[in-house]
Amino acid sequence: NAGVTQTPKFQVLKTGQSMTLQCAQDMNHNSMYWYRQDPGMGLRLIYYSASEGTTDKGEVPNGYNVSRLNKREFSLRLESAAPSQTSVYFCASSEGGQANTIYFGEGSWLTVV
Amino acid sequence: GQQVMQIPQYQHVQEGEDFTTYCNSSTTLSNIQWYKQRPGGHPVFLIQLVKSGEVKKQKRLTFQFGEAKKNSSLHITATQTTDVGTYFCAGPQYGSRLTFGEGTQLTVNP
Repeated sequence: NAGVTQTPKFQVLKTGQSMTLQCAQDMNHNSMYWYRQDPGMGLRLIYYSASEGTTDKGEVPNGYNVSRLNKREFSLRLESAAPSQTSVYFCASSEGGQANTIYFGEGSWLTVV
Repeated sequence: GQQVMQIPQYQHVQEGEDFTTYCNSSTTLSNIQWYKQRPGGHPVFLIQLVKSGEVKKQKRLTFQFGEAKKNSSLHITATQTTDVGTYFCAGPQYGSRLTFGEGTQLTVNP
């Protein structure tokens, strides 16, 4: 039982490049999330998916797209990376809505140069 | 912007001293959750409080939920180096969306 698994763990991109962060959970959770964490900014929600087939914008969605491929997988895509997107990205899941306990992946460290 | 405020942002203590972090919401919360993130790690759930005035303890950690369900606190008695990390509170806002506080980063000097 791996919980929430996200890849890659580390990535360096050049400005303008695109990439996709992959996330999968094996807890049969309905809801999945992508957060970014910057120093002094806490955890900010980028996008979330309350259930398979639905996605919604969070607090900071600009520059990102998501896909809820199936119940297990929720990917985050940067179409044209910018230095402002340098951050640590966390995928997470919960059984139901966000009032439930959230389980986080180990994080993906992304640097855009 | 953030509607869940957490103070202080940083706290440095000597090992053995107590530590408290406070969380305040602009709206009434149905519940409050606390998470801990070790340096270089990911946030890990600690506890959830649901009832007005609720107090829960986990060994040296004491969690409180305010009577009005708009504030909460985490108190650590006699800190140890293993307590180092950032402590986040989180509460459901904007319907049911969970909003995290900015966290309190705790360092413990041995």
